[in-house]
Amino acid sequence: AQSVTQLDSHVSVSEGTPVLLRCNYSSSYSPSLFWYVQHPNKGLQLLLKYTSAATLVKGINGFEAEFKKSETSFHLTKPSAHMSDAAEYFCVVSDRYGGYNKLIFGAGTRLAVHP
Amino acid sequence: GAVVSQHPSRVICKSGTSVKIECRSLDFQATTMFWYRQFPKQSLMLMATSNEGSKATYEQGVEKDKFLINHASLTLSTLTVTSAHPEDSSFYICSAAPSDSYEQYFGPGTRLTVT
Repeated sequence: AQSVTQLDSHVSVSEGTPVLLRCNYSSSYSPSLFWYVQHPNKGLQLLLKYTSAATLVKGINGFEAEFKKSETSFHLTKPSAHMSDAAEYFCVVSDRYGGYNKLIFGAGTRLAVHP
Repeated sequence: GAVVSQHPSRVICKSGTSVKIECRSLDFQATTMFWYRQFPKQSLMLMATSNEGSKATYEQGVEKDKFLINHASLTLSTLTVTSAHPEDSSFYICSAAPSDSYEQYFGPGTRLTVT
């Protein structure tokens, strides 16, 4: 069975400094991996996805993630944090189930950005 | 494109009553729709998967008689919480997968409060 582990429940950074949100996955085959962001009382927004193409995936708002099979990791990074990046971030792996993808969510990482 | 709406966004009901939540794909046809539940400060848990015109598939531990799901058309799925109790208070989120894609698009969520 597929699973994801987000290694930090909370991350706090200063505005303008780099962001690193860590995610490890477990999969019996080549997975599809996603990062979603959820702002307070808002719906989920897809930041980026990996589907076995390039291992370095660029997403929206300056975020990117690198798929490392040897480390079973898919960490999310951003060179310079902005106040508007403060939100909950979910690492997600998909499990192919019949004719659709079943998404399995990590526990989430709450990112705080301080002035 | 790929917009999913939910109605209502917030609902407060009394214990013992039933509440219906609608999920609509506004600009695409969705063969499959998913219902998730999110408790405060926690991750999303898949409750059930519904395919248009067939019975929903419920995840382990989810009571199908309490959470009634109907997917009557390719653009509408409904979740009815029957005989709601305070422990059913939660954030309910739906997603929809287009007929020609495995990708899921999320609605903004519905906050249910049972008093």
